[in-house]
Amino acid sequence: DVQLVESGGGWVQPGGSLRLSCAASGFTISDHYMDWVRQAPGKGLEWVGRTTNKANNYTTEYAASVKGRFSISRDDSKNSLHLQMNSLRTEDTAVYHCARWDYDYLDVWGKGTTVTVSS
Amino acid sequence: DIVMTQTPLSLSVTPGQSASISCKSSQSLLHSDGKTYLYWFLQRPGQSPQLLISEVFNRFSGVPERFSGSGSGTDFTLKISRVEAEDFGVYYCMQSRQLPLTFGGGTKVEIK
Repeated sequence: DVQLVESGGGWVQPGGSLRLSCAASGFTISDHYMDWVRQAPGKGLEWVGRTTNKANNYTTEYAASVKGRFSISRDDSKNSLHLQMNSLRTEDTAVYHCARWDYDYLDVWGKGTTVTVSS
Repeated sequence: DIVMTQTPLSLSVTPGQSASISCKSSQSLLHSDGKTYLYWFLQRPGQSPQLLISEVFNRFSGVPERFSGSGSGTDFTLKISRVEAEDFGVYYCMQSRQLPLTFGGGTKVEIK
C-alpha cells in the first residue's frame, strides 16, 4: 500500500527549531518529486517547498515565507524525507503534510504532523 | 505568484442535487507544453486532501463520474452532479503552472 507518514511535530518557542520526517512505504521516494504543504488552524493550504527526484539531482525550491529558514532533505536509505525548520515564528503554526508527485499530479498525501510555535 | 480565487466560500446542498464551484487564476495556467495545470482536491474533516481532478478535467483513479472539471486559461469549474453524503467537505483548486504552487481559499460544501 502506498503511504506517507509524517512525524516530528510538537510545541516549540519562537526562534526554535524542529525537524519533521516523512516516511514513505509502497514506493521508492527517490523516484518522485516530493512537496511539503501546510495548513494553519482553520485556514487553507499553503505550499512550503519541494525536492525534485534523483534524476533531477534532488534540487529544492521554497516558498518565500520560509526560504532561508526551512530546508528539505532526503534519506534514501530510509526511504524518507525531512523538513528542517529553523527560526520558527508563530505564523509557522500548522499541520504539515508531505505529498508525492506522480508524473503531473499530487496523488498521495500524508495525514500530517502538527507544529505549534508559541511562547 | 499566481493568485487562485474560489467562489463561493460555502455551499449548502441537498443530497441528490448538483453543485458547482468556480476557480479563477490571476494568470493563464496554460503551459507551453499544451497542458493546463489546474487541479481539484477534496479535504474531508480531519483528513488530508485527496486528488479529484488533474489538468482541468482528468478524473483521478477511483473518483466517481459525478465529478467533472471544465474550463481553460484562467476560468475553471468543478461540477458535482447528484451530491452524495461522502462529497461533503472543503474543495480546493490548485495551480502548478509555476512555483510557488498556490491554492484557492477553499469552498466548504455542507449538507442542507
